[in-house]
Amino acid sequence: EVQLVESGGGLVKPGGSLRLSCAASGFTFSNAWMNWVRQAPGKGLEWVGRIKSKTDGGTTDYAAPVKGRFTISRDDSKNTLYLQMNSLKTEDTAVYYCTTFSVGAFDYWGQGTLVTVSS
Amino acid sequence: QSALTQPASVSGSPGQSITISCTGTSSDVGNYNLVSWFQQHPGKAPKFMIYEVSKRPSGVSNRFSGSKSGNTASLTISGLQAEDEADYYCCSYGGSSTWVFGGGTKLTVL
Repeated sequence: EVQLVESGGGLVKPGGSLRLSCAASGFTFSNAWMNWVRQAPGKGLEWVGRIKSKTDGGTTDYAAPVKGRFTISRDDSKNTLYLQMNSLKTEDTAVYYCTTFSVGAFDYWGQGTLVTVSS
Repeated sequence: QSALTQPASVSGSPGQSITISCTGTSSDVGNYNLVSWFQQHPGKAPKFMIYEVSKRPSGVSNRFSGSKSGNTASLTISGLQAEDEADYYCCSYGGSSTWVFGGGTKLTVL
């Protein structure tokens, strides 16, 4: 059974940093393309970014609102996905989900972790 | 990149069929057959319901179907049931390795 468990969320001041983790199990993590998707309170879903498997180059792509501030990385030895968030803004407040990616869609989702950016 | 356009809400009675539209542009929905749909119950993570416009993942009821015409994709739910009441989101590949979601539609089962 695929399991994705996010952690690392919390309250941070504007301009601060936070690192989220996503522990994966139940599938071959090293072969997976992984994504982060966020959802602001009471709002819709927003794609944040993606990292390919190392076999496919390990490259990353980001949505425009987070490009240059957020960095996605992975540790295949630990089956863990990361999201480093710097220069946080109030508009980054959201539940952050990690997802797998196959058949051209986000197929498995974690339960999410809440990030609140507030002074 | 702008979010795809969905109606804010739709409703239907048990047993009826409803359709949720998802309108994009020729740069996303109209240019790729990579439209997917997600169901989200309150306080829960989204659930993957449709991929590549009209394909259903294993375990998803055949009451859910997807289609696309031009820049607009649609999700149809037939034989509406109480447990279908949820928020629904469409998603499309937007080109240049980016993805765009719709604003979401709240489905109420009357």
